[in-house]
Amino acid sequence: AQSVTQLDSQVPVFEEAPVELRCNYSSSVSVYLFWYVQYPNQGLQLLLKYLSGSTLVESINGFEAEFNKSQTSFHLRKPSVHISDTAEYFCAVSGVGTDKLIFGTGTRLQVFP
Amino acid sequence: GAGVSQTPSNKVTEKGKYVELRCDPISGHTALYWYRQSLGQGPEFLIYFQGTGAADDSGLPNDRFFAVRPEGSVSTLKIQRTERGDSAVYLCASSLAGEDTEAFFGQGTRLTVV
Repeated sequence: AQSVTQLDSQVPVFEEAPVELRCNYSSSVSVYLFWYVQYPNQGLQLLLKYLSGSTLVESINGFEAEFNKSQTSFHLRKPSVHISDTAEYFCAVSGVGTDKLIFGTGTRLQVFP
Repeated sequence: GAGVSQTPSNKVTEKGKYVELRCDPISGHTALYWYRQSLGQGPEFLIYFQGTGAADDSGLPNDRFFAVRPEGSVSTLKIQRTERGDSAVYLCASSLAGEDTEAFFGQGTRLTVV
């Protein structure tokens, strides 16, 4: 079985500041890792994913996440946030060979001007 | 449509009543998932369909919950004898076959049991 822990329920940050949203997982098997974003009044959207290969993955809007197997982490980072990044961010894991996503409880990123 | 469509968007029902929630997946997507998201929580897996069959229903909380996908496209989540604890947003997602493919989510049905 898999589980995901997102330690920060809320992260307030000023515009253009860097941000890190933390995600740790546990699993007895190899995993795929995902970050989903939910903008206000919208559905969940895939932000980025790690399947295999390079441990650093990037999104088209400047976010990146690094898979760290030894620390069982998949933290999400952005060097300079924008007001439009305000949203709820969910980390998710699926075990290789399974098809269901296990989500964390989410981190609300609030970007202030 | 272009995305996953869920109807109704909101549903208010009385305790003890029966409800049906509908999901129209993206055309051609063989995999379909139902999740439940309670306030302040992440989505919680309920059931996964591959084609017409339920490949994994381990997340259904009890026998009041049932889901079908008779023709391998539209799916209906059915809840009998609703309880106030069933109040949540019910999310549907679909994807192409394969465990590493992207799941596309609908906007959900907000169910309120009064």
